[in-house]
Amino acid sequence: ELQLLESGGGLVEPGGSLKLSCAASGFTFSHYAMSWVRQVPGKGLEWVSAISGSGGGTYYTDSAKGRFTISRDNSKDTVDLQMNFLRADDTAVYYCAKGTVTAGRGYHYDYWGKGALVTVSS
Amino acid sequence: DIQMAQSPSSLSASVGDRVTITCRASQNIDRWLAWYQQKPGKAPKLLISEASGLQSGVPSRFSGSGSGTEFSLTISSLQPDDSATYYCQQYNVFSTFGQGTKLDI
Repeated sequence: ELQLLESGGGLVEPGGSLKLSCAASGFTFSHYAMSWVRQVPGKGLEWVSAISGSGGGTYYTDSAKGRFTISRDNSKDTVDLQMNFLRADDTAVYYCAKGTVTAGRGYHYDYWGKGALVTVSS
Repeated sequence: DIQMAQSPSSLSASVGDRVTITCRASQNIDRWLAWYQQKPGKAPKLLISEASGLQSGVPSRFSGSGSGTEFSLTISSLQPDDSATYYCQQYNVFSTFGQGTKLDI
């Protein structure tokens, strides 16, 4: 059974850092691009970052550029999101999502994790 | 950036009704559009990809259409389980979601 399990969420002060991890199972991880999508509670979905199957291509929404770093370890079937200089408006549930292609700038998502809540507050 | 305008933002309907949700892209995205269903406290679920491709296991009362900049999701005969928020997503260039449509039954 395909599973995506996020971890690492929590409460962090403005300006702080947090690292989210997503552990994948049930599919050939390196064959698929992965993304992080966030959702402010009660609001809509926002794409944050994406990484190709090889890890050679990484992409970010404008608000994440320079602050967030996406990476993957295909030997461990994990994808991470390192978030630095966090702001209050980064508060959201962060979902790990599996793409349907190996690489490319755009794709849809056929499986999602349950999400990890990140709260940025003093 | 490609923007997605989804309408209506909410609607109320009855069991058996036919409803349509529309999504408009700010530029041509060919057929690179997906529809998701999200229930409270849950992750989104993929319903349709490439504008009209129904995902395995999704009831046939769901259908999608459109190309270019205008798209729609139709539910032909509403069931109580269809109560949810629906999102469109363009994936022609990176990814952008519509604002969502909350469907109450």
